[in-house]
Amino acid sequence: GAVVSQHPSRVICKSGTSVKIECRSLDFQATTMFWYRQFPKKSLMLMATSNEGSKATYEQGVEKDKFLINHASLTLSTLTVTSAHPEDSSFYICSAPKGLAGYNEQFFGPGTRLTVL
Amino acid sequence: GQNIDQPTEMTATEGAIVQINCTYQTSGFNGLFWYQQHAGEAPTFLSYNVLDGLEEKGRFSSFLSRSKGYSYLLLKELQMKDSASYLCAVLDSNYQLIWGAGTKLIIKP
Repeated sequence: GAVVSQHPSRVICKSGTSVKIECRSLDFQATTMFWYRQFPKKSLMLMATSNEGSKATYEQGVEKDKFLINHASLTLSTLTVTSAHPEDSSFYICSAPKGLAGYNEQFFGPGTRLTVL
Repeated sequence: GQNIDQPTEMTATEGAIVQINCTYQTSGFNGLFWYQQHAGEAPTFLSYNVLDGLEEKGRFSSFLSRSKGYSYLLLKELQMKDSASYLCAVLDSNYQLIWGAGTKLIIKP
């Protein structure tokens, strides 16, 4: 398999502060990483595709100035939630595809639980 | 639009068999995934089907019919630890994963 780590696993912050979440592929290189958010009892919602060395691609309805993505290396992508508000509280998950047997399988990080007070 | 449907919740008994269905309408098809997700954790990969038929992997099997836009995940000899949400996801023509809302499976003793 392949391992993707995410840090922090849990963060509680005050409204108005910014929070950075890191996603790392530990044993493979990932030119692309995906950022999802998941509300309780809901499925994953793709927020953006992070591309190493270029700008991220955001899904419709996702504010790129609020959710800053930086893919600085082949093993690291960061998501910064700027000026966080309580409605940003959610479970944020990153994933990285790794080609296996002719298809790209997504390997997920363990997720980050963000609570904005 | 693109759509993936699966039941919201199912209940089964320990030791029994359960089948979780998934139907999809997507722009193109490059494979269908099943993932397991325990509460508060990230999804973990269970299976991948791109050709019609049944793929068996231990207690879990996954079936695909591309002509019907249909898949199912079959879980045998259910254990309490199988209580989780099961997510169906389709890789569309742009190689983007389209996710179903997940099926919460409750196992009773």
